[in-house]
Amino acid sequence: GAVVSQHPSWVICKSGTSVKIECRSLDFQATTMFWYRQFPKQSLMLMATSNEGSKATYEQGVEKDKFLINHASLTLSTLTVTSAHPEDSSFYICSARMVRGDTQYFGPGTRLTVL
Amino acid sequence: TQLLEQSPQFLSIQEGENLTVYCNSSSVFSSLQWYRQEPGEGPVLLVTVVTGGEVKKLKRLTFQFGDARKDSSLHITAAQPGDTGLYLCAGATWTNAGKSTFGDGTTLTVKP
Repeated sequence: GAVVSQHPSWVICKSGTSVKIECRSLDFQATTMFWYRQFPKQSLMLMATSNEGSKATYEQGVEKDKFLINHASLTLSTLTVTSAHPEDSSFYICSARMVRGDTQYFGPGTRLTVL
Repeated sequence: TQLLEQSPQFLSIQEGENLTVYCNSSSVFSSLQWYRQEPGEGPVLLVTVVTGGEVKKLKRLTFQFGDARKDSSLHITAAQPGDTGLYLCAGATWTNAGKSTFGDGTTLTVKP
């Protein structure tokens, strides 16, 4: 149980294009999902908290117009990197938390490379 | 701001050795999770501890939650190369908007 999927697992795009990453909880409902960014050999950096049916809460320093988050259902959240630039290249990971409980279950991550 | 200090940051040991990773904080957590992450993959949940003083065992891994729910340890007995990875602890509270506080991680390398 508690499986979270992410799609795509990797993506390469040209500078200036937008990329959408999907995060799905496959066997449970998640009122809250989180989006993280991770640099090599470092811990997770929280970007934003996504709540179903409401606006996402962004961490300080994260541009909400750059990283658009939509949490349209209890099993799906999407992160869109708009007008991507090479510095946006990174490993993006989502997590989902069950309606009850505070354990986060992570997706497998998406490797974004912007050329 | 809640902080979770994890140590050591890097650990390189021989197969068969024992090791302990620590997570310490001045904050009280409602629960604490330990994850293991391999390169290019997402963190995989190993355990959740919720009760002060709780000890959980997962094969060769022993997890302990401090009595005051401010700290935790992960002990691995007879480490194997398959234990290699990044170990992360994460503390959750009811008062942090549902967010967890993550340690900086411990990169473990077990040499055959």
